Amino acid sequence: SYELTQPPSVSVSPGQTARITCSGNALPKNFAYWYQQKSGQAPVLVIYEDNKRPSGIPERFSGSRSGTMATLIISGAQVEDEADYYCYSTDRRRVFGGGTKVTVL
Amino acid sequence: EVQLAESGGGLVQPGGSLRLSCAASGPIFSSYWMHWVRQAPGKGLVWVSGIDSDGRSTNHADSVKGRFTISRDNAKNTLYMQMNSLRAEDTAVYYCVREGWFGESYGMDVWGQGTTVTVSS
Repeated sequence: SYELTQPPSVSVSPGQTARITCSGNALPKNFAYWYQQKSGQAPVLVIYEDNKRPSGIPERFSGSRSGTMATLIISGAQVEDEADYYCYSTDRRRVFGGGTKVTVL
Repeated sequence: EVQLAESGGGLVQPGGSLRLSCAASGPIFSSYWMHWVRQAPGKGLVWVSGIDSDGRSTNHADSVKGRFTISRDNAKNTLYMQMNSLRAEDTAVYYCVREGWFGESYGMDVWGQGTTVTVSS
């Protein structure tokens, strides 16, 4: 079965850069999406098709994909970016990564 | 702008049944694949089931196959999930999600606020 693997947690100081990785065997052939989920809220799309930002998402959010790895980058992380982040991709089945808790302190 | 509103969650005993609904407002519900994604307490997002735009093709995660059935009524702009033989491990928030076209691929673009299902005696 297809799996996407993320680190459980990432910590970053305010103003610094956070990098969240997502690895999966089907990523060389499929786009990655990233969702932000704050406590008690529904997920929100922050990156689609590897590196594109939906309207309303701050420019500090960016993404990349190379080989079996996709990466979400938060440049100049803010306290309000503290949340769980999930990668998502498809390989016949729809699959989410296990999620990464980002702490900004 | 489309909005999704889930309902039908609640407390049910193991082995029981529940039917979730998701009402869509906004244009062109009938043009999109729709999905249910769940999140157990303190855990991550897990895709559960999906249905194509006209309801002819469905698929389910192995964990719910044979117990859950996804369906839709495009005339009512509503998505459903019939959940039978419920187990404690089905306890979760269930999200209704639209799958949209982003220019080069499909991805989950609109999420409801979720409805909570608790399976417990």
